[in-house]
Amino acid sequence: DGGITQSPKYLFRKEGQNVTLSCEQNLNHDAMYWYRQDPGQGLRLIYYSQIVNDFQKGDIAEGYSVSREKKESFPLTVTSAQKNPTAFYLCASSSAAAAETQYFGPGTRLLVL
Amino acid sequence: QKEVEQNSGPLSVPEGAIASLNCTYSDRGSQSFFWYRQYSGKSPELIMSIYSNGDKEDGRFTAQLNKASQYVSLLIRDSQPSDSATYLCAVRKVNRDDKIIFGKGTRLHILP
Repeated sequence: DGGITQSPKYLFRKEGQNVTLSCEQNLNHDAMYWYRQDPGQGLRLIYYSQIVNDFQKGDIAEGYSVSREKKESFPLTVTSAQKNPTAFYLCASSSAAAAETQYFGPGTRLLVL
Repeated sequence: QKEVEQNSGPLSVPEGAIASLNCTYSDRGSQSFFWYRQYSGKSPELIMSIYSNGDKEDGRFTAQLNKASQYVSLLIRDSQPSDSATYLCAVRKVNRDDKIIFGKGTRLHILP
């Protein structure tokens, strides 16, 4: 089955700890995105990548880092510099041909201990 | 003015009636418009995309776009309890490198 997978489904972070959220897609999409969603809020863009080995900051990149070493993978690291990381994190991808349409993974819920 | 605005709701509609969801956007250069449905605790799923003025129908769903008035709407006919969800409006500008901007969503509740 083609699709976008995210893991883990739930993640707990301790004070001062860096954690990495996984996002993998087998849709052969060029572009991948990370969003953060807080309760009652819309989606806010953290980082996006339109091609391997290249990525750009979104609206709320501070405290986060990404890499894009493979077309299929776009992991997000939530660093200790992110003081309020509790949120629902969504990964999305889109093809170059239909660049407007983004498809989402199931999401990772990050909680702070 | 927010880039993409939606009434947060909740919008309550009787089962079998038409649900009407509205969205306005601020950038006249916007070219691509999307409606996503998001169930509680789940990720958004694409329902409709629309690119030109007028109506676009897909089953019980109709998207309507009016670029002159800068609004896009989603009509759901014969509303079902399973339609109860949050509906996100999303807008992309003309340059394909531009980001998609999401509204905060409208909560829809279908009354059995």
